[in-house]
Amino acid sequence: DAGVIQSPRHEVTEMGQEVTLRCKLISGHNSLFWYRQTMMRGLELLIYFNNNVPIDDSGMPEDRFSAKMPNASFSTLKIQPSEPRDSAVYFCASSLEGATEAFFGQGTRLTVV
Amino acid sequence: AQRVTQPEKLLSVFKGAPVELKCNYSYSGSPELFWYVQYSRQRLQLLLRHISRESIKGFTADLNKGETSFHLKKPFAQEEDSAMYYCALNSAGRRALTFGSGTRLQVQP
Repeated sequence: DAGVIQSPRHEVTEMGQEVTLRCKLISGHNSLFWYRQTMMRGLELLIYFNNNVPIDDSGMPEDRFSAKMPNASFSTLKIQPSEPRDSAVYFCASSLEGATEAFFGQGTRLTVV
Repeated sequence: AQRVTQPEKLLSVFKGAPVELKCNYSYSGSPELFWYVQYSRQRLQLLLRHISRESIKGFTADLNKGETSFHLKKPFAQEEDSAMYYCALNSAGRRALTFGSGTRLQVQP
């Protein structure tokens, strides 16, 4: 298994544009986490899913952010409209139900200009 | 609510020197604590967890419930230890990890 796969690796977009980040879970995993990493705040949990159901989205900054799991192995994080303060590295991680170790993707570096 | 604090953003030591990366947590129940490491251009990966009580790459961490700490230690730092280190907490009933803000360890030759 190639691990958690995120795309794109890098995204540069203009303020106001819609951005979609993608994540493919490790086969068999059923928990999915989206994190945002910045210099100032480190790693912040945005949202997590269990068996495709959003469990905790209290970390989602505002209505401009939305996340979905259209199927058990895939998730998207959408920002619409994007703003410069959204610039960060966004990580996706997955785990097995009942396990506490999370496996991370390589991240998407988002730059909003 | 749970919280993880890593007071140092950057820790710089010379090769062969001892290393201690500090981590304090706040949580009213029994937490599960982890250290994750991110080497340059690599993904975040688990280094060790307190329940295993193991030593990985020479690193150890002991959970001190009295001081609510989980400091990461290594007696002799190596250059390849240079990386970003995150302390994380998993609370009962909540599946998602809460991370500290991270400490960058630089080991100089």
